[in-house]
Amino acid sequence: GAGVSQSPSNKVTEKGKDVELRCDPISGHTALYWYRQSLGQGLEFLIYFQGNSAPDKSGLPSDRFSAERTGGSVSTLTIQRTQQEDSAVYLCASSLSPYSNQPQHFGDGTRLSIL
Amino acid sequence: TQLLEQSPQFLSIQEGENLTVYCNSSSVFSSLQWYRQEPGEGPVLLVTVVTGGEVKKLKRLTFQFGDARKDSSLHITAAQTGDTGLYLCAGGAGYSTLTFGKGTMLLVSP
Repeated sequence: GAGVSQSPSNKVTEKGKDVELRCDPISGHTALYWYRQSLGQGLEFLIYFQGNSAPDKSGLPSDRFSAERTGGSVSTLTIQRTQQEDSAVYLCASSLSPYSNQPQHFGDGTRLSIL
Repeated sequence: TQLLEQSPQFLSIQEGENLTVYCNSSSVFSSLQWYRQEPGEGPVLLVTVVTGGEVKKLKRLTFQFGDARKDSSLHITAAQTGDTGLYLCAGGAGYSTLTFGKGTMLLVSP
């Protein structure tokens, strides 16, 4: 498809386990964003990639969270030693350029549940 | 830190009614976007406004950007059940990442 693809759509895991969430952006989009959305909350910015530049990691809540973007395309968000407060929907978005008036195209998210 | 406050947080109305939701900040944004998110899906862009005082219409939806570019409103005329969803505003400035509000959950009943 032509949209942003995220996998898995749902993930249930035990506290303390590591999880990897994947995002396939729209082809040709140079900017890629990860957000976290908790119940009743808006979108919390996590990390942003633009081309080959160093990522903006200012939104990562702890050092258990990391992300990479390989070849300027696919991105993986990794959460180590998961905690129950990590339960949320993790959304990925891409845009054609990083200018703030550009539309962000979102995937349908990964719903993460930590038992 | 730039913050966007959205109000109301939740709105339940009958089909055919009109409504307005608000997005306010103490910060100036160079652009403001409105998204709608349906359950189980990601947000989808409705509109981007970039000029103070700008008004944009999308069928029954009217968006306005405040003169000072610190606030915005979304007005829906004759709401339909298909308008149900979470409405998110997001502000940006230059090459900054977007700041999202917490959203207004709209439920339109038949």
